[in-house]
Amino acid sequence: GAGVSQSPRYKVAKRGQDVALRCDPISGHVSLFWYQQALGQGPEFLTYFQNEAQLDKSGLPSDRFFAERPEGSVSTLKIQRTQQEDSAVYLCASSTSSYEQYFGPGTRLTVT
Amino acid sequence: ELKVEQNPLFLSMQEGKNYTIYCNYSTTSDRLYWYRQDPGKSLESLFVLLSNGAVKQEGRLMASLDTKARLSTLHITAAVHDLSATYFCAVDDLTGNQFYFGTGTSLTVIP
Repeated sequence: GAGVSQSPRYKVAKRGQDVALRCDPISGHVSLFWYQQALGQGPEFLTYFQNEAQLDKSGLPSDRFFAERPEGSVSTLKIQRTQQEDSAVYLCASSTSSYEQYFGPGTRLTVT
Repeated sequence: ELKVEQNPLFLSMQEGKNYTIYCNYSTTSDRLYWYRQDPGKSLESLFVLLSNGAVKQEGRLMASLDTKARLSTLHITAAVHDLSATYFCAVDDLTGNQFYFGTGTSLTVIP
């Protein structure tokens, strides 16, 4: 079946622009996670949803980052007033349980 | 904060050789995950280890977990070029809501 999909795959934004990154989880997966992966580093947790409820947003680096999952399926990660330090790959993962997470291909964000 | 350390960070090995990647973590967790990432690609799940003493094998890779030592190993047997990738271990907090990843081990297998 279809895996986790993310769009766009690549995004170039000028400093100060707002961006929106989309994640389509595997159908039926209750849990959805967002991660930020800087070059040469492991993914770092940003936020977690169970259905439409955002249960943990402790990893969001600033109030410029905002995530939503209004109907419990598709999720959007929004970054306002992008800064150069926001340049990274943003990974989405979904899960039926708290154990195995299935990752999407990621969105590579470059802020110029 | 839960910390996960991997070593080595970079590994270059010849085809046919054996080697072990180590993953240490700082706090109590009974669940340990290994992922593979190819350049420009996403993470592919390799192993999920759910209890102390768990051992899983797939092809030339074998993973084990010692929760008392807070240590997991990923053993590579008779390496082949196709195994070249970056390998990450991760642990979750006891709620299972947050995953903490190591910095990864970049493996290059040389013919």
